Order: sequence, then C-alpha cells, then structure tokens
Amino acid sequence: DAMVIQNPRYQVTQFGKPVTLSCSQTLNHNVMYWYQQKSSQAPKLLFHYYDKDFNNEADTPDNFQSRRPNTSFCFLDIRSPGLGDAAMYLCATSRAGLDTYNEQFFGPGTRLTVL
Amino acid sequence: AQSVSQHNHHVILSEAASLELGCNYSYGGTVNLFWYVQYPGQHLQLLLKYFSGDPLVKGIKGFEAEFIKSKFSFNLRKPSVQWSDTAEYFCAVNALPNTGFQKLVFGTGTRLLVSP
Repeated sequence: DAMVIQNPRYQVTQFGKPVTLSCSQTLNHNVMYWYQQKSSQAPKLLFHYYDKDFNNEADTPDNFQSRRPNTSFCFLDIRSPGLGDAAMYLCATSRAGLDTYNEQFFGPGTRLTVL
Repeated sequence: AQSVSQHNHHVILSEAASLELGCNYSYGGTVNLFWYVQYPGQHLQLLLKYFSGDPLVKGIKGFEAEFIKSKFSFNLRKPSVQWSDTAEYFCAVNALPNTGFQKLVFGTGTRLLVSP
C-alpha cells in the first residue's frame, strides 16, 4: 500500500545534540509537510515543501530546518534541541495543484524525547 | 489568525449512543473544513471534508458533519457509536484555500471513549 513512513518512531536525544527525523512517501505527492504536536495540543505546521520550494511558517524557530533531496524523502533537522522541543513530529503529504480538494496523508509520527 | 476550537476535550459514551462533537472556527473568508481521526497507535486519517455545496457532508464509517456558516461551526455527528470509534478526533480548517496546497489549522482534539 502507498503510504507515508516515518523513522524512527521514537527518538531520544540529549539537550543540544542535533537530531534528524526522516519521512518518506510512496504516494508521489509533490507537497510534504512537517507538523509539531505537543502533548494535549493541536498539530502545528512548521513548514512545507511544494516540490523543491521550501515554505517556512513565520513562527517556526530557526532551530528547525528541513531538507528534501528528492520527491520521496523529507528530513527534519533540529540543530540544538531544547527541552521544549519534546513532541510528536508528524509528516504529511498531499498532491497539490489548482485542485485543492486533495487530502493530506499523515505518517505515524516520531515521538522525540529530549533529556 | 485563523483558529479552531473544540470545546469537548474528553467524551465518554456507551455503545449505541449518539455522538456530536463541536467545532468552531474563526475565519471570515472561504473555508475548507476537515475532520480527522486518530485511532490508538495509528496515524491521522481523514474522516470527511467540506469544500462547497451541500453543507451536510457524509464521511466514512457512518460519520457526518454539518457546516453552518452563520455559526462558524462544523460539528461532527454519528447516530450510534461503536466501541471501535474510540479515538481522538481533530477538526481542521484550511487557512489558505485555492492556493494549490493546504495549510491546516487544527483544533486541540477530542478524545472519545466508547464503552461496550
């Protein structure tokens, strides 16, 4: 089945130690999104790629970066994780274009713990 | 900025009871509205969506939602819940319709527990 895959499912890192989260998709969608979801809060969009174009949300901290080397893969880099960055990180994809009726497909998420 | 409110954070129902989860959004323009569900241990899945037309939208698994523009609401309903409906439900609005992609603004979610 076509899907959105996130690795690892659980990631533990130390305060200040860079960490990379991975997302891959077999849907051939041109848009990929990263969301942060803290406990008991709504998922919050960090940024998205529309093909190769990177779009950062205005309130996303500089500590968060992303890379999309090809259509299938997208990475979330946290340069210096703080305790406040502990959260579930969700990757999603959609097929975008003039027709915006396309749903987003979500991965299972990576739960990040910062010690 | 657009926001979505889900006033019921936790709901407990017995099987066969009727369900209505509230969702209100703050946005004055054209909206695309969604309900997503997350079953225990699984990823977010789309239940239903509203873009235009009939304000009563039917989704999967017997769920429906009604868009009431005058009340800025998009409440989710199911006439008779099952134990398998135990999950977390998220309402979301696309803050940038007609741009070619979706910027989803989510509510904080409602945890539904259905007891057998």
